[in-house]
Amino acid sequence: QQQVKQSPQSLIVQKGGIPIINCAYENTAFDYFPWYQQFPGKGPALLIAIRPDVSEKKEGRFTISFNKSAKQFSLHIMDSQPGDSATYFCAAKGTSYGKLTFGQGTILTVHP
Amino acid sequence: KAGVTQTPRYLIKTRGQQVTLSCSPISGHRSVSWYQQTPGQGLQFLFEYFSETQRNKGNFPGRFSGRQFSNSRSEMNVSTLELGDSALYLCASSELIDHTGELFFGEGSRLTVL
Repeated sequence: QQQVKQSPQSLIVQKGGIPIINCAYENTAFDYFPWYQQFPGKGPALLIAIRPDVSEKKEGRFTISFNKSAKQFSLHIMDSQPGDSATYFCAAKGTSYGKLTFGQGTILTVHP
Repeated sequence: KAGVTQTPRYLIKTRGQQVTLSCSPISGHRSVSWYQQTPGQGLQFLFEYFSETQRNKGNFPGRFSGRQFSNSRSEMNVSTLELGDSALYLCASSELIDHTGELFFGEGSRLTVL
């Protein structure tokens, strides 16, 4: 049973555009929401994360928006660059231990 | 500080065989998790270890097992391999078991079952 739904599956933008990736969750016991970036041949790497008591978090060009009542969160990439082309995963951590439930991933392509 | 190291990086097995994958966490990290990554199912949680004890287990059959040693290194084993076990197996480590989502992943072991 998929508990974190991610969309879109793929996304193509021009350099300088602002791609937005959306995720929705069902389990209200989740208490931490990280985003991971994965390049081909590499493992996922933590990009940015947010707790449900915060509505927005910015780190450089990456911003997470969080809507607790709607159980939705999204990643915005400002001034996107070709080097941002990668697969992005949202995830959610339950309150017990460290298990992460991942979304299905979004393949982002940024054209020069 | 060295990252998470997984061996072997690539391997090919045939149906019915078994396989053991190894993971060395970042120095000082005591929690190790394993995930299976496939194009169809994405990233699926296998199990998590902390201080040599399995703390959490995902919805995988009993053919999938693991363990953690006193030096925090971990191994996972898959017995009686099936074609559907072909995947990238990722190991991740964190300093504490409640890592607030900050897992550090290795580059994975890519298993192909023929």
